[in-house]
Amino acid sequence: QQQVKQSPQSLIVQKGGISIINCAYENTAFDYFPWYQQFPGKGPALLIAIRPDVSEKKEGRFTISFNKSAKQFSLHIMDSQPGDSATYFCAASLTISNTGKLIFGQGTTLQVKP
Amino acid sequence: NAGVTQTPKFRILKIGQSMTLQCTQDMNHNYMYWYRQDPGMGLKLIYYSVGAGITDKGEVPNGYNVSRSTTEDFPLRLELAAPSQTSVYFCASSYSRTGTYEQYFGPGTRLTVT
Repeated sequence: QQQVKQSPQSLIVQKGGISIINCAYENTAFDYFPWYQQFPGKGPALLIAIRPDVSEKKEGRFTISFNKSAKQFSLHIMDSQPGDSATYFCAASLTISNTGKLIFGQGTTLQVKP
Repeated sequence: NAGVTQTPKFRILKIGQSMTLQCTQDMNHNYMYWYRQDPGMGLKLIYYSVGAGITDKGEVPNGYNVSRSTTEDFPLRLELAAPSQTSVYFCASSYSRTGTYEQYFGPGTRLTVT
């Protein structure tokens, strides 16, 4: 019940296209869903996050869509750029645990072709 | 602020050897975490700490030990290294902000056990 499943494992998109990465979770008690971005040779860094009381959150070209009934959420990258090429991880957390622990998805490697 | 620093960056160990991975943060964060990252597997939590003197197991603690004697430092100890511990190790720290916890990651340690 603690798993977060992420797809696809890898994604190739043309510059200017839309990149979409999907995640599904099992534990309905999860109440915080961040996305992390990782460039080669670096540690992950927080990109954008959402709480389940909203269905969408947008920050620049990055949007999280959240479907509570389906227990799914997704990251949309609009107007994808070569600089967006990185590995993306979705995650879920139970904030009431007061530990900050995150359960990560398996990761998606995005390549944006010029 | 240097953020989260990890040493060493790379290390090759022989089977059965021991070593300590160092992690230090200068952001006065209470929460600290150790993850391992394997290809296609995402980030798996090894151990975490919610404050000095308090540690607890994550998803994959076997073969590892931690201590947290100060707020700043959270070393990870590998005893009797095995090939299965070949991985990239990330340390992270966080603080609670409005009930959510943004994790700040170090640059990682790439460990090979042969």
